[in-house]
Order: sequence, then C-alpha cells, then structure tokens
Amino acid sequence: GAVVSQHPSRVICKSGTSVKIECRSLDFQATTMFWYRQFPKQSLMLMATSNEGSKATYEQGVEKDKFLINHASLTLSTLTVTSAHPEDSSFYICSARDRGGIQYFGAGTRLSVL
Amino acid sequence: GQNIDQPTEMTATEGAIVQINCTYQTSGFNGLFWYQQHAGEAPTFLSYNVLDGLEEKGRFSSFLSRSKGYSYLLLKELQMKDSASYLCAVRDPMDSNYQLIWGAGTKLIIKP
Repeated sequence: GAVVSQHPSRVICKSGTSVKIECRSLDFQATTMFWYRQFPKQSLMLMATSNEGSKATYEQGVEKDKFLINHASLTLSTLTVTSAHPEDSSFYICSARDRGGIQYFGAGTRLSVL
Repeated sequence: GQNIDQPTEMTATEGAIVQINCTYQTSGFNGLFWYQQHAGEAPTFLSYNVLDGLEEKGRFSSFLSRSKGYSYLLLKELQMKDSASYLCAVRDPMDSNYQLIWGAGTKLIIKP
C-alpha cells in the first residue's frame, strides 16, 4: 500500500508553545489530506480536511485559529497547534487520499502538553 | 442522520474464524472501508468494497450488501497479532470532500 509519513511521532511541550506536525505522502500525490484526533479508547474524530492550494475545511467545534493547517504541495500538509494547553494533549493522525479514493494513515503524533 | 454500527468488542480463539459485522445508514454511499488499528497506533487499510459481494485478500475477506446496508469482515486462521480494533467506514458522496464516516470500532481479543 501507499506510504504516509508523519513527524514527529511524539512531542512533549510546555503550555503556551506551538507544535508543528508534518504529514507527507511519499509515493503518491494527495490532493486531499485529513487530520484526525483520537482520545484513548475512542474512535477517530475528524478535525479538518486539507485540500492542496486552498483553505482547509474545519469540522464543527474545531477552532481554525488554534489548529492551523497548511497544504502547500500535493505531498505535504502541516498541522500547527498554536499556544498548546494540557487539554490539547491527544493522539493526532493524518491521512492522505490517493487517486483511487483510499485513505492511508500516517503513524500518528502523540502530543503531551505539560 | 449518518450512522454506522459495529459490535464494541468480540473475543475469538487463535486459529479460528471470526466475522465482524457492520451496518450503516447514510444519506449516500460511495464505498465501504475496513481498517485495522492496534492500540496506540494509527489505522492501516485492509479492504474496500463498492460493489456487492465478497472481496478476498489472504486471511481477510470483506463482504458488502448495499441493499441491506451491511458489511462484514471475515478473519481466518486467527493469529495473536490480529488482536486489534477493526474500524468500518463509509464514504459519503454527499460530502464535498468525500470524507469517511467512521464506526466506533470493534475491539477483537484473540485468546490462545
């Protein structure tokens, strides 16, 4: 299957700092990428849909000014958690959709805000 | 509304066969996906069905009946490493981004 690379895999930061997470499709071009959040023992929660060259579409309840998404190329999308607080601690997962419509996931980023 | 139902948890024995069911009620349908997710890891793609019938891929098979809004994932010759959550998702053509609607997942526990 296709490969999606997500970095970093683990981040520990102080409250108030910003954290940038990168998501790359390594062997295919992805017009659309998705950012999810997952709490322990819960299902995936879609945060936003990222389309190359245009503004991201955020799900209801997700603050676009707090979770900045940039999809500058067909292989790279970034999520920046601005002024992170302990309640932002979670498992963030990106996925990229290939031309066949299959979503492939990155390995996820575990964010811990102290 | 959009709804996807799958059992919360199932238990099976190593070497046996298990069937995980998924039913869906969505405003539209453009394919059904199964993903495997081990604890603490991201989901990995298992299968995709858009037409009725059975898709076989090694030890895993997935079945779809669009008229019944029903799918199942069949796992044969179970191995301990198959212990994971299995997520059913439906693609919604009514959404401009064709995003997936996710079930809550079925936690499969394999016992020796």
